[in-house]
Amino acid sequence: DGGITQSPKYLFRKEGQNVTLSCEQNLNHDAMYWYRQDPGQGLRLIYYSQIVNDFQKGDIAEGYSVSREKKESFPLTVTSAQKNPTAFYLCASSLRGSLNTEAFFGQGTRLTVV
Amino acid sequence: AQSVTQLDSQVPVFEEAPVELRCNYSSSVSVYLFWYVQYPNQGLQLLLKYLSGSTLVKGINGFEAEFNKSQTSFHLRKPSVHISDTAEYFCAVKTLNFGNEKLTFGTGTRLTIIP
Repeated sequence: DGGITQSPKYLFRKEGQNVTLSCEQNLNHDAMYWYRQDPGQGLRLIYYSQIVNDFQKGDIAEGYSVSREKKESFPLTVTSAQKNPTAFYLCASSLRGSLNTEAFFGQGTRLTVV
Repeated sequence: AQSVTQLDSQVPVFEEAPVELRCNYSSSVSVYLFWYVQYPNQGLQLLLKYLSGSTLVKGINGFEAEFNKSQTSFHLRKPSVHISDTAEYFCAVKTLNFGNEKLTFGTGTRLTIIP
């Protein structure tokens, strides 16, 4: 079955450590997105990529980095520069252009920094 | 830039009663509109979407929404709710500005069904 896989589901890290969240899709989508979700704040866009080897900052990119070396994969690194990294992270993908009529979401990764 | 407002952060409703979750948006260009549902510790699932055509859109689980361009609204409705509808609901907008294809979400409405 086609879909988006995020791993791991739960992640614990010590303060000051970098951590990488995985996102893989087999939907043949060009566009991929990372969102952060905090209670009462909805989903906020961190980074998005519309094509391989290209990506753009979203609304809250500080303290995060991404890469898009393959169409299927869009990993997110939460760096030590991110001041409040504990959150629920969601990855999504979609077609591009006039075919971009719906985004599909993974099941999320809950990151807790202790 | 586009924005989405969901005025109600929490909505409690008795089982089998009707419900309306409100969504207003702001954009200087034409938009696509969406409602997503999220169950605890899960990703988002699409309920319904408005792209063009009829302003009344029907989705899964008996939900429907009406696009009102003059009021820039896209309210979600269900005539009779069930316990299983307890979840968080997000309204989202995407502009038809190709090259800027990101979704902008509202802050969500938590729907609680009271038995």
